[in-house]
Amino acid sequence: DVVMTQSPLSLPVTLGQPASISCRSSQSLAFSDGTTLLDWFHHRPGQSPRRLIYRVSNRDSGVPDRFSGGGSGTDFTLKISRVEAEDIGIYYCFQYTHRPHTFGPGTRLEIK
Amino acid sequence: EIQLMESGGGLVQPGGSLMLSCPTSGFSFSSSWMNWIRQAPGKGLEWVANIHPDGVDKYYVDSVRGRFTISRDNAKSSVYLQMNSLRVEDTALFYCVAWTADNSFWGRGTLVTVSS
Repeated sequence: DVVMTQSPLSLPVTLGQPASISCRSSQSLAFSDGTTLLDWFHHRPGQSPRRLIYRVSNRDSGVPDRFSGGGSGTDFTLKISRVEAEDIGIYYCFQYTHRPHTFGPGTRLEIK
Repeated sequence: EIQLMESGGGLVQPGGSLMLSCPTSGFSFSSSWMNWIRQAPGKGLEWVANIHPDGVDKYYVDSVRGRFTISRDNAKSSVYLQMNSLRVEDTALFYCVAWTADNSFWGRGTLVTVSS
C-alpha cells in the first residue's frame, strides 16, 4: 500500500500568517501522462470533511484563493497564504492513483 | 441542493452484520464514483471502498475485503455497504462520498459501534 506521511502533524499559526503542510507518498503518484491523483481535505470539528484541492493544484469551487496546492511525484505541499480563524481543523492529503487509496495521518492546524 | 444521507449504523456485537445505505440527490449520481470512508474514534480518515458508476468495478481496503460489499442502485441514486463479520476495530463514523468529474460531496456520516 502507498504510505502517505505529513509534516508537521501539529501546526500552531498566528492569524494572518502563512502556513505550509508537506505531504509525501511512498511511491510516485504520477501516471505516465503526468496525471497525479492527490487531493487535500479540511476537516473541521463537528463537520464533514471538505475537499480543498484536487489533482495537486486545482482549487474546488468556493475555496478561498489563499489556499494553494503544488508538488509532483512523491512530494506535495498545501499552502495557506494568510491563516484565518475558520482554517482551524485537520488537513489530510489523499492519494487515489494507487489502490487501496490512502490518506495521510492529518495535520492539526491551531491558532496561536 | 446536494444531499447524501447515510443510515443503518448502530451498535452490533462482534461477528455481527450491518447494512449501511446512502440515498443521494442533487448531483449526477449515475456518473459518479461512490465511496465509503470511515473515521475511527480519535483517528484519521480511512478510505474503505468504492464502486465505479456502472456498478461493476469495486475496490476495497485490505482490512475489509471479503467481509464488506459495496453496491449501488443508479435508479434510486443510492449506494450501500453490507458489512459482515464485524470486528471491534470496525467501530467508526462511516461517510458516504461522491466523486464527480470536478467535485467531492460528503454525507454527515453514520456511526457504527462494534462492541460486546
